[in-house]
Amino acid sequence: EVQLVESGGGLVKPGGTLRLSCAASGFTFSSNSMNWVRQAPGKGLEWVSSISRSSRYIYYADSLKGRFITSRDNAKNSLYLQMNSLTVEDTAVYYCTRTNAGGEDFDYWGQGTLVTVSS
Amino acid sequence: QSALTQPASVSGSPGQWITISCTGTSSDVGGYDYVSWYQQHPGKAPKLMIYDVSKRPSGVSTRFSGSKSGNTASLTISGLQVEDEADYYCCSYAGGSDLYVFGTGTKVTVL
Repeated sequence: EVQLVESGGGLVKPGGTLRLSCAASGFTFSSNSMNWVRQAPGKGLEWVSSISRSSRYIYYADSLKGRFITSRDNAKNSLYLQMNSLTVEDTAVYYCTRTNAGGEDFDYWGQGTLVTVSS
Repeated sequence: QSALTQPASVSGSPGQWITISCTGTSSDVGGYDYVSWYQQHPGKAPKLMIYDVSKRPSGVSTRFSGSKSGNTASLTISGLQVEDEADYYCCSYAGGSDLYVFGTGTKVTVL
């Protein structure tokens, strides 16, 4: 059974940093691209970042303005999101998702981790 | 990249069918056959319902179907059931600086 479990969310002050992790199991992690998708309270889904299987290609939403860094460790079956210079607009549930192999959709989602940016 | 446009809400009675539209541009919906649809119940993670415009993942009811014409994709739910009441989001591969773009979301209410 495919499982994606996010951790690392919490309360952080504006300008602060946070690192999210996603532990994957139930599939060959190195065979799929992975992604972060976020959802602000009461709002819609927003794509944040994608990373290819070997980390050769990493993409970010333009709106992030270079503040976030996505990485993965295939040996540890883990995905990471380093978030810097956080603002209140970054407050959201952050989901780890798997890209369907050979496709461009998100076939599995974690339960999400809440990041709250507030003074 | 702007969000894809969806109606804010759609409603129907049990047993009826409804259609949710998702309008983008030739740079996203119209440019690729990579439109997907997600169902999200309150407090839960989204679930993939349709991918590659019209394909259903294993385990998803055949009552859900997808299509696309030009820059607009559509999700149809036939034989509406109470458990279909949820938020639905479309998503398209965009291939540009914003690799993917989501729709604004549609709340489906079963009357």
